[in-house]
Amino acid sequence: AQSVSQHNHHVILSEAASLELGCNYSYGGTVNLFWYVQYPGQHLQLLLKYFSGDPLVKGIKGFEAEFIKSKFSFNLRKPSVQWSDTAEYFCAVIRGGSYIPTFGRGTSLIVHP
Amino acid sequence: DAGVTQSPTHLIKTRGQHVTLRCSPISGHKSVSWYQQVLGQGPQFIFQYYEKEERGRGNFPDRFSARQFPNYSSELNVNALLLGDSALYLCASSLAGTAYSNQPQHFGDGTRLSIL
Repeated sequence: AQSVSQHNHHVILSEAASLELGCNYSYGGTVNLFWYVQYPGQHLQLLLKYFSGDPLVKGIKGFEAEFIKSKFSFNLRKPSVQWSDTAEYFCAVIRGGSYIPTFGRGTSLIVHP
Repeated sequence: DAGVTQSPTHLIKTRGQHVTLRCSPISGHKSVSWYQQVLGQGPQFIFQYYEKEERGRGNFPDRFSARQFPNYSSELNVNALLLGDSALYLCASSLAGTAYSNQPQHFGDGTRLSIL
């Protein structure tokens, strides 16, 4: 069965620190990849997505993610985090031709001012 | 513009009862998906409907069912509730028929279901 692993369950950073959240998946075929964010008290929002083309994807609020097919990874990065980036981050994967997404368990990010 | 709306926001039921959760998609969106999110886990896909047809089903028992109405709103029904059904139930809508096409999914705030 397809699985999505987010290695860091809890991350605590100070403002201006760099961020990298890991996401690995187990499916070997074509995949569509996503990062979602849930700010405190708000609903899930799409940060960025990858379908094809340039493996370096840029999203909203300065986030980016890189698809490395050989490593089955889609890690999320931000060069300099802000207090307002405090949120829960979810990676999701859909294998090609499927409607069914698989989410990782999420990473809780706390940014101290 | 109104986002995805879900009702009720909170619900308490006892084991064995039945529950109906409701979702109104963003105006113009024809696709609705349902997810279950247990505390400490990511959302788990339950169903997707597009144009009133079921397009996808996750690994949930037959106690879970759903439907989509002509106005594209949707209901999720769960029969014979178990303690393990306690979770946040999320609804998401999108323009397109595939669950994740270039049209993004827009999530509602969810219904918090507690089973006693």
